[in-house]
Amino acid sequence: DAGVIQSPRHEVTEMGQEVTLRCKPISGHDYLFWYRQTMMRGLELLIYFNNNVPIDDSGMPEDRFSAKMPNASFSTLKIQPSEPRDSAVYFCASSLALGGEYGYTFGSGTRLTVV
Amino acid sequence: GNSVTQMEGPVTLSEEAFLTINCTYTATGYPSLFWYVQYPGEGLQLLLKATKADDKGSNKGFEATYRKETTSFHLEKGSVQVSDSAVYFCAAMYSSASKIIFGSGTRLSIRP
Repeated sequence: DAGVIQSPRHEVTEMGQEVTLRCKPISGHDYLFWYRQTMMRGLELLIYFNNNVPIDDSGMPEDRFSAKMPNASFSTLKIQPSEPRDSAVYFCASSLALGGEYGYTFGSGTRLTVV
Repeated sequence: GNSVTQMEGPVTLSEEAFLTINCTYTATGYPSLFWYVQYPGEGLQLLLKATKADDKGSNKGFEATYRKETTSFHLEKGSVQVSDSAVYFCAAMYSSASKIIFGSGTRLSIRP
C-alpha cells in the first residue's frame, strides 16, 4: 500500500496566482480530510468528505478556498487567488471509517509558500 | 466544545531519560484517544490508541493509559532515543462528533 499520496511536495507561487493541491487517498478509505498546519495556528481541519461528498467545510477559511473530490481516488484543494498568509503545510488524510478503532493516515504534505 | 490539552514544548531530554508528555481531554462522553507523531518533513503517523477506560495503548516502547477518573492520556517512554525527536500530538474522537480533535502538539528533542 503506497499510503496517502500528495502532490506537489513543495509549491512556491506568487500572490494572486491560483494554486491546486492534489491528494490520492488509500484505496477503500471512505473518508478524506484536508488539514492546514502553521506554527501560529497548529493543525486546522479545513474540510472532510465521505464517499466523495463534502460533509463539513466549516474550517475553510474563506471563499478563496475550494475543495473537490470527483471520485474515490482523487481530491483537490484549490486556492484562488493565493495570498502570503496562505503559506503553510497542507495535509491530506484518509480513514477507513469514523470511529475509535480507526485512526487517520496522513500524507507527507504540501509545503506552500506564497510570495 | 470538546478539546484536547497537552503540555507545551519544547521538551528537551538526554538520551535514555524517562519521558512523560501530559494530555487531558474534555470529559464529555467516552472518546477514543490517540497519540500521533510527526517526524521532520513528514505527515502525522498514528503511534498508539485506546478506545475505552483503563485501556493501555503501546507501540515502539511508548505507552499511554486511558484514565477516566483524571480524564488523561499521558504518553510515557522509559528510555528515549535521539530518533524519538519529533512533534507528538494527543487527539480524541468523541462519538458526538465525526472528526478527530487534535491537541496543539509537543516538540520533543533528545540530546545524544
